[in-house]
Amino acid sequence: NAGVTQTPKFRVLKTGQSMTLLCAQDMNHEYMYWYRQDPGMGLRLIHYSVGEGTTAKGEVPDGYNVSRLKKQNFLLGLESAAPSQTSVYFCASASGGETQYFGPGTRLLVL
Amino acid sequence: GDSVTQMEGPVTLSEEAFLTINCTYTATGYPSLFWYVQYPGEGLQLLLKATKADDKGSNKGFEATYRKETTSFHLEKGSVQVSDSAVYFCALRKAAGNKLTFGGGTRVLVKP
Repeated sequence: NAGVTQTPKFRVLKTGQSMTLLCAQDMNHEYMYWYRQDPGMGLRLIHYSVGEGTTAKGEVPDGYNVSRLKKQNFLLGLESAAPSQTSVYFCASASGGETQYFGPGTRLLVL
Repeated sequence: GDSVTQMEGPVTLSEEAFLTINCTYTATGYPSLFWYVQYPGEGLQLLLKATKADDKGSNKGFEATYRKETTSFHLEKGSVQVSDSAVYFCALRKAAGNKLTFGGGTRVLVKP
């Protein structure tokens, strides 16, 4: 039982490049979330999903897209990376209204 | 909108000292309140929670009481260890949507 895993762990991009971050959970959770963590600002919700095939915007969705084609996976895409998207990205999952479980994070640097 | 404010760090303590991290919130309705901990290089882990007024959450020697009258959820530990060095996040959750709103985090450093 791996819990929540994230791929990759670290990535460097040039401005304008695209990439996809993968989150996978093996707990059969319905809800999944993407957050970004910036110094002094805590975690802010980017997008979330309440079930397979559904997505919704969070607090800071601009510049990101997501997909939830399979229940266990939640993908976060950056179509054209900007330096302002340099951050640490965390994925989380939850069963309904219960506790959220977090992945180890992906550190992204956009030059 | 909803918000969580917690004391800025870093907080530096000696081993066996008493730790308090203040957390206050602004929200309509009756949110659930959480403390998460992030150890170096890791993701967040739930430390404790409280779902209604006057509830006390506790875990690993840490405690926090949901005070609706002061909209606070302060975290305390009576005797910290070096292994408690981490970043602590206070958060609230509204009933609908299971979305968390986090405070900015407080870094705690415990020295031997």
